[in-house]
Amino acid sequence: DAGVIQSPRHEVTEMGQEVTLRCKPISGHNSLFWYRQTMMRGLELLIYFNNNVPIDDSGMPEDRFSAKMPNASFSTLKIQPSEPRDSAVYFCASSVSGTGNTEAFFGQGTRLTVV
Amino acid sequence: GENVEQHPSTLSVQEGDSAVIKCTYSDSASNYFPWYKQELGKGPQLIIDIRSNVGEKKDQRIAVTLNKTAKHFSLHITETQPEDSAVYFCAASPPYSGGGADGLTFGKGTHLIIQP
Repeated sequence: DAGVIQSPRHEVTEMGQEVTLRCKPISGHNSLFWYRQTMMRGLELLIYFNNNVPIDDSGMPEDRFSAKMPNASFSTLKIQPSEPRDSAVYFCASSVSGTGNTEAFFGQGTRLTVV
Repeated sequence: GENVEQHPSTLSVQEGDSAVIKCTYSDSASNYFPWYKQELGKGPQLIIDIRSNVGEKKDQRIAVTLNKTAKHFSLHITETQPEDSAVYFCAASPPYSGGGADGLTFGKGTHLIIQP
């Protein structure tokens, strides 16, 4: 398996523009997580899905952020409108949920710069 | 919610020496404690994990200890090598709730520098 695949790897956009980040989890994994990493706040959990259903989105910072998982092999994180303070590295991770917590596999991340 | 504190933020050790990173957590219900290593430009990668029914776990040069009473856990790396230089994150996760794997709460990370 190629692992968790995120696109794009880098994104530079102007303030006010819509940004869409994409994630393909590992085949067979039924939990998917979106994290944001900044120097100041470290790794923050934004939202996670189980079997394509959002379970906890309490980490989503504002209504400008939204996430979807239309099927088991694809998820998006959208920011509309984007602001400079959204600049960060966004990671997607996936895992197999069963009878206990298991290893989360992370993608390479998307480095977002909002100017 | 869970809060994870990690220390130190930066740790510099001589090659061959041992390195210890410590974390505390706040939610006594948490029962899964993984450690991740992040190299420059890459996503975090699991290096070792421990569950709350175990006090210690070892994998070659890496070991993790857990003290449930005190709510702290530590990562020990012995005989450090240059390739151990990276950022290390501890994390904690609540028990499986039946709805699926819950998200991890991460510490702020430790930048480990191995001096040749």
